[in-house]
Amino acid sequence: DAGVIQSPRHEVTEMGQEVTLRCKPISGHDYLFWYRQTMMRGLELLIYFNNNVPIDDSGMPEDRFSAKMPNASFSTLKIQPSEPRDSAVYFCASSLEDRRIEAFFGQGTRLTVV
Amino acid sequence: AQKVTQAQTEISVVEKEDVTLDCVYETRDTTYYLFWYKQPPSGELVFLIRRNSFDEQNEISGRYSWNFQKSTSSFNFTITASQVVDSAVYFCALSELTGANSKLTFGKGITLSVRP
Repeated sequence: DAGVIQSPRHEVTEMGQEVTLRCKPISGHDYLFWYRQTMMRGLELLIYFNNNVPIDDSGMPEDRFSAKMPNASFSTLKIQPSEPRDSAVYFCASSLEDRRIEAFFGQGTRLTVV
Repeated sequence: AQKVTQAQTEISVVEKEDVTLDCVYETRDTTYYLFWYKQPPSGELVFLIRRNSFDEQNEISGRYSWNFQKSTSSFNFTITASQVVDSAVYFCALSELTGANSKLTFGKGITLSVRP
């Protein structure tokens, strides 16, 4: 298996623009997580899905952030409009069953909003 | 609420030294999992180990070893005979098995630099 695949690896965008980050989880995994990593706050969970259904989005910073999982093999994290403080590395991870099993992380998307 | 504290922020050692990375956690649950992840300079997060709260046996894997002590709520990670390739940020994480939420809570990470 190719592992969790995220695209793009790097994204530079101007403030106010819409940004869409993409994730393909490992086939067969039931859980999908979106994390954000910044120097100030470390790794934070934004939202996670179980069987394509959002379970906990309490970590989503504000309404500018939205996430979808239209099917078991694809998820998106959208920021509209983007702001410089959204600059971070965004990780997608997937796991089997539940939190008992370690999450496998993608390589991350480094987002820079100028 | 669950919490993971990695008090050390940066550690620098010379190659072949042993180094221990500390991790202290807080949880109200009796059933939980602890993890260590490695983030090398390339940026990806690499899973190293998972321990459940009922298994306090120490584990050794090559130059890596882990010491889990429930009495002190600690899950420390030791690298023996460190190598330059061990240079990375290391994260300790906690996952509770009960409650409505299912997620990993990460510590802030420890940046380990191994000098030749």
